[in-house]
Amino acid sequence: GQQLNQSPQSMFIQEGEDVSMNCTSSSIFNTWLWYKQEPGEGPVLLIALYKAGELTSNGRLTAQFGITRKDSFLNISASIPSDVGIYFCAGYNYGGSQGNLIFGKGTKLSVKP
Amino acid sequence: DSGVTQTPKHLITATGQRVTLRCSPRSGDLSVYWYQQSLDQGLQFLIQYYNGEERAKGNILERFSAQQFPDLHSELNLSSLELGDSALYFCASSVSGRVGYEQYFGPGTRLTVT
Repeated sequence: GQQLNQSPQSMFIQEGEDVSMNCTSSSIFNTWLWYKQEPGEGPVLLIALYKAGELTSNGRLTAQFGITRKDSFLNISASIPSDVGIYFCAGYNYGGSQGNLIFGKGTKLSVKP
Repeated sequence: DSGVTQTPKHLITATGQRVTLRCSPRSGDLSVYWYQQSLDQGLQFLIQYYNGEERAKGNILERFSAQQFPDLHSELNLSSLELGDSALYFCASSVSGRVGYEQYFGPGTRLTVT
């Protein structure tokens, strides 16, 4: 089945640093969603992307729908301790056999004050 | 708070038993999705209902079933439970039946099978 490769798997950064993570697929996707999950909680939707090349911001977060439609990027600027969590990308291919969102394995972010 | 509610928060049961997980979607949302999250498999889509009808099926075992009621709440039934069914089960909802649309997740039910 379709898979999303999300990298890096984990990041340890200093407060104030910028963060970049990405997801790639071998298939073309029509939708990219970025979620953040904290321990014991459900994933929280951060940004939704529906158009190739689209660049969308949500506060210090910026995500882009890759022009090839096979990748997406999430950047976090000036990280703070509350940014800690696992960030998941999720994509959807209308022609895919699984019929719904496919999630990456996540990027675990740790922020040192 | 996403507006999606799930009960119970935690569930501990024995192998071979049957449990029911409950989900109430956000007000106005017609679609409900169920996901399983385990350490080794990540978030796996199980099944989607839209306005009471099954819309899409993922990697859902035959021992698992779901339904969506007229008031739009949904239940996920897990039977003949095995140790490997221990996981977090999430419900998500969206206003649209169109797959790939924004989905909002509930807080999850942690199932432990002993």
